[in-house]
Amino acid sequence: DIQMTQSPSSLSASEGDRVTITCRASQSIGSYLNWYQQKPGKAPKLLMYAASNLQSGVPFRFSGGGSGTDFTLTISSLQLEDFATYYCQQTYSIPRSFGQGTKLEIK
Amino acid sequence: QVHLQQWGAGLLKPSETLSLTCAVYGGSLSGYYWSWIRQPPGKGLEWIGEINHSGSTSYNPSLKSRVTISVDTSKNHFSLKLTSVTAADTAVYYCARVFSGWAERNWFDPWGQGTLVTVSS
Repeated sequence: DIQMTQSPSSLSASEGDRVTITCRASQSIGSYLNWYQQKPGKAPKLLMYAASNLQSGVPFRFSGGGSGTDFTLTISSLQLEDFATYYCQQTYSIPRSFGQGTKLEIK
Repeated sequence: QVHLQQWGAGLLKPSETLSLTCAVYGGSLSGYYWSWIRQPPGKGLEWIGEINHSGSTSYNPSLKSRVTISVDTSKNHFSLKLTSVTAADTAVYYCARVFSGWAERNWFDPWGQGTLVTVSS
């Protein structure tokens, strides 16, 4: 099974900051990597698919990169609505697996 | 625009069977895989398994002995059964469409609203 490890597990930042979340796979997964945003009490929402493709309707301040084992999600200028938990997910192989999550909090 | 609506019993006793259903509105089951994911309170996401419209399934090995996912194309919905539940199965359960892109790249979108299932004696 492929293990997904996110860092950091939590992050405090201010509105307007640029933040980057990292996701590392235990083996190469090409670009079979997605990012989701989850707010309390809500279902996860797709942000990025196939590592670097922005889902329709998601603001352009979100960007994704990487391939193989190391991936990033960057928010260029944090807005209040971006404070949430972020998960990466690999769909390279079964069982599909998620990172443990990164909670982005207001400083 | 596809929308998923899920339902099922929210309170179970240990050893009972969890049963949830997810209905697909605004689209067909055909051409996609459909997945179940769960999230214990305060914890991360765990993939349970998935099914396509023909009934072809894949399961997480950690749950495979207790899980059955089925599909009913006449009602445009799919279902999850998890047997012999314990307190460790307490979680919010989500359904989701597995969208397939190029070269079998897949992502989950949209998601159902989630159903909290609590296992307690």
